[in-house]
Formats: sequence, structure tokens, C-alpha cells
Amino acid sequence: EPEVTQTPSHQVTQMGQEVILRCVPISNHLYFYWYRQILGQKVEFLVSFYNNEISEKSEIFDDQFSVERPDGSNFTLKIRSTKLEDSAMYFCASSGVKGNEQFFGPGTRLTVL
Amino acid sequence: GNSVTQMEGPVTLSEEAFLTINCTYTATGYPSLFWYVQYPGEGLQLLLKATKADDKGSNKGFEATYRKETTSFHLEKGSVQVSDSAVYFCALWMDSSYKLIFGSGTRLLVRP
Repeated sequence: EPEVTQTPSHQVTQMGQEVILRCVPISNHLYFYWYRQILGQKVEFLVSFYNNEISEKSEIFDDQFSVERPDGSNFTLKIRSTKLEDSAMYFCASSGVKGNEQFFGPGTRLTVL
Repeated sequence: GNSVTQMEGPVTLSEEAFLTINCTYTATGYPSLFWYVQYPGEGLQLLLKATKADDKGSNKGFEATYRKETTSFHLEKGSVQVSDSAVYFCALWMDSSYKLIFGSGTRLLVRP
């Protein structure tokens, strides 16, 4: 069964450093998403990406964040200068059709020290 | 704005007990509604969904009915198992948007 994969599973970084979180969505999906979950809190939407551009983003997704689909398979989230409050579990998701089931990856736990 | 409210956990039950996890929503319009489950150490998996009023979603013995009059989508299961222990998230999606809006999650612990 096809699945969304994410690497790394855990990333530890120093405050102010850049991090890139990687995702491989399901191969024939066209819509891609990033969400995050701060420990003990709800899952929050960050950004959606379709047709090589951002289709929607939340207030959390400020200038420190960017997304890219550098090739036909990867989808990345970059945080330019990490802050302590960026520590969270980051989930990538993809869907074949807008509004259809979003398939989630296992997440990357980001710890900012 | 649009939002989802879930009952606070943890919910602790004995095996074979009846489960209800309450979920209500606020939305300007007619959302699609989802239940996702997160097993320990794993990502979110879609459990069931309903796209219009009075639809009933069901999967693996779980059910939820989309009630427009009470803006609710409560999750039920007649007889829980230890393997159902997980965190359950209610979510909504509006067709004017790309994002899922999640509730805060409810942890279920089933004891043998």
C-alpha cells in the first residue's frame, strides 16, 4: 500500500540554525501539505501546495518558512532560522484530489535547543 | 472562524466497553467531517468520514453520524479492544479551503 514517508524521524538543532524536513508524498498525488503538532496540543495546518505553488498558508507560516518540490518526488519544508517555539512534530500529507482523504506521514520530531 | 471541539481525555475503558468520544464543530457552511486515529509512534490515519448531513461513516467497528442540527460528529464503538488504544482526532474540511481543521485530540486507553 502506498504511503507518505518523512525523513529524518527526529532532528535536533540549535536555535538560529536552518533545518530542512523532507517528505516523499504518494506518487500520483497532486496536493501536498505540512502540519505541525506541538507536544500535547492540537494538529495545526501550516501550508498547502498545488501545481508548484502555495495554495494556502496559515498565520504560523511566516517568512521563516518555505516549501519546495525540488523534483518529481520530494516535498520539503525549510525553516530558515529556528526558534525554541518551533519544537514540534511536523507532519507531511498528500491527497490525490482536493478535499479527498489526506494521507499523513509518520512525522519528524524537531527539537530546537 | 471554523473550529472543532472534542471532549478532553484521557478516556479509560475496560475491554468490550462501549465508547463515545464527543465532537462538535463550528463552521460557516457545510463541512466534510473526519475522524483520524494516531497510534503510538505513528502518523495520522483516516478512520472514517462523512461529507453531508445524516451520512454515517464507519470503519473497523467505529461509527459516526454527521448531525447538522446539533453540529456534531460523535465517534462510537460498541466493544473496544486493547488495540484501539490511541489518540483520536476529529477534523473538518471546507471546500473553500485546502486545510483540515483538527480538534485537540482525545486519548483512549483500553485496559484488558
